[in-house]
Amino acid sequence: AQSVTQPDIHITVSEGASLELRCNYSYGATPYLFWYVQSPGQGLQLLLKYFSGDTLVQGIKGFEAEFKRSQSSFNLRKPSVHWSDAAEYFCAVGADSGTYKYIFGTGTRLKVLA
Amino acid sequence: GAVVSQHPSWVICKSGTSVKIECRSLDFQATTMFWYRQFPKQSLMLMATSNEGSKATYEQGVEKDKFLINHASLTLSTLTVTSAHPEDSSFYICSARRGGGANVLTFGAGSRLTVL
Repeated sequence: AQSVTQPDIHITVSEGASLELRCNYSYGATPYLFWYVQSPGQGLQLLLKYFSGDTLVQGIKGFEAEFKRSQSSFNLRKPSVHWSDAAEYFCAVGADSGTYKYIFGTGTRLKVLA
Repeated sequence: GAVVSQHPSWVICKSGTSVKIECRSLDFQATTMFWYRQFPKQSLMLMATSNEGSKATYEQGVEKDKFLINHASLTLSTLTVTSAHPEDSSFYICSARRGGGANVLTFGAGSRLTVL
């Protein structure tokens, strides 16, 4: 069965520091992979996606993610975090390209220290 | 860009009443919409897949008679929580898939339901 694991429930970083959020997936075929960000009480905003091709994906707000098939990972990175990046981050896998259902990880809550 | 609107953004109702939440794709036609439920500090749980003009497909464990989904047009899907009880209180989020093969979903801002 498809699954997504985000090992870190909470992460705290100082403003200006680098960030890496981990995501591991289990899926039989080449997955569609996504990172979304959710601010409190809000819906989800797409940061970036991977379908195929270049394994290093650039997204909005200075985020990037790297697909590593051998590690079944799709970690999200940002070289310098801003206070406005504090939010909940969800990794998702497109579980079935025919139905376009997503399976979400449990999320990582990012706190940014001034 | 693709925009999905949810209404209402929050609603409080008495136990036993029914509540309808709307999900609209504002600038594109959505052949498929999805409804999720999110408990506090938890992930999104897919409830059902809504296809325009056909019955919704519910995930295992989701009561289809409790959560009625209608997708009457290419821009509107509704979720009705029938005979709501306090345990139905949650954050409900919809997403819509633009037609044409794009495997990208656009999410609404969510609707917070509180049942007293």
